[in-house]
Amino acid sequence: EADIYQTPRYLVIGTGKKITLECSQTMGHDKMYWYQQDPGMELHLIHYSYGVNSTEKGDLSSESTVSRIRTEHFPLTLESARPSHTSQYLCASSEGDNQPQHFGDGTRLSIL
Amino acid sequence: AQSVTQPDIHITVSEGASLELRCNYSYGATPYLFWYVQSPGQGLQLLLKYFSGDTLVQGIKGFEAEFKRSQSSFNLRKPSVHWSDAAEYFCAVRTGYSSASKIIFGSGTRLSIRP
Repeated sequence: EADIYQTPRYLVIGTGKKITLECSQTMGHDKMYWYQQDPGMELHLIHYSYGVNSTEKGDLSSESTVSRIRTEHFPLTLESARPSHTSQYLCASSEGDNQPQHFGDGTRLSIL
Repeated sequence: AQSVTQPDIHITVSEGASLELRCNYSYGATPYLFWYVQSPGQGLQLLLKYFSGDTLVQGIKGFEAEFKRSQSSFNLRKPSVHWSDAAEYFCAVRTGYSSASKIIFGSGTRLSIRP
């Protein structure tokens, strides 16, 4: 079993709030990723990191930001949530470039 | 541009029947290929992967997949499905060999099991 954790699992919150979605892994993986997934749809990469102090934007434009101060921690922040941010957010990590990604259980975010 | 296509949005099979989920990719060289399964409300779990060598790969839960270069396909198969196999299945391809390459996911195939 992969050791990657996301909190909270579910979050319902009002418009305009600042939100941080947590993602932690205990496997020592350098590479971490954030995906956005609407129900029944494919995953879209929104952020990734290849190590501490390394962050890049993914293929899908997102108003969220990420940080990578520690290897094991890769939080995603929305400064001012809007209903359009309602989605599921999946965090993943991998050991190397060609290794499979291990996924957390996701955070299902609903913005009212 | 690289892409992954899963032509079947939703498939229903009877319990005990065989299963094949289709996946086609578009990429100039031999890609790294993956199949993931996602149960409702959960993250993705890796079923199997292909990097090189034997084109028929075995995965967990009795699944296998065959890489066919001539057809640019990587179809997932299982000889006899169980009710617990009902889930969403995603094919993915990693394009390139540098640290800048990323994994591209297909749109998924939802599998339902008929009792």
